[in-house]
Amino acid sequence: DAEITQSPRHKITETGRQVTLACHQTWNHNNMFWYRQDLGHGLRLIHYSYGVQDTNKGEVSDGYSVSRSNTEDLPLTLESAASSQTSVYFCASSEGTFSEQFFGPGTRLTVL
Amino acid sequence: LAKTTQPISMDSYEGQEVNITCSHNNIATNDYITWYQQFPSQGPRFIIQGYKTKVTNEVASLFIPADRKSSTLSLPRVSLSDTAVYYCLVGVNAGGTSYGKLTFGQGTILTVHP
Repeated sequence: DAEITQSPRHKITETGRQVTLACHQTWNHNNMFWYRQDLGHGLRLIHYSYGVQDTNKGEVSDGYSVSRSNTEDLPLTLESAASSQTSVYFCASSEGTFSEQFFGPGTRLTVL
Repeated sequence: LAKTTQPISMDSYEGQEVNITCSHNNIATNDYITWYQQFPSQGPRFIIQGYKTKVTNEVASLFIPADRKSSTLSLPRVSLSDTAVYYCLVGVNAGGTSYGKLTFGQGTILTVHP
């Protein structure tokens, strides 16, 4: 069955380190998204991509970057981790413009 | 982006029908309305989507009045397993590269009691 996976599921890192969170989907969806979820804020969009080589900034993109070299993967990189980036990160993918988004299980990141 | 407003929390009992209303006063002409459900420690899951009038699927109904400035998610005969956070979202109008971008609000915490 098609699925969307994230790794690692839990990560503890130190301030200033570079961290990359992986997202892999097997639906062959063109659209992929990264969100962060914090108490009191719901889910906020970080970056999104509508296809290979396409990336766009969301509402909270500062300090994050993504690259899309193939259809299946959209890794999220924190260039220099900060304590404010401690959060739960969700990756999602969708087939079309208004299609439902399928979410991964999430990565809980702690920056000390 | 169209902003949504929904109750922070609701309580219900098993077997009851639950209606969660969402306001989206500045919804754009081509925006769709979508509801997601999220259980603790899981990613959100799509429930239902609509543009106008009424949409029904195997788990819920979505009522959208003619002016589309609000919508109501209806969950028939809830059970304890329906305890979750429910998000109302309005999709950005298709155009350029901004289509498909969803804005999540804080959601409604639904607690179903025995």
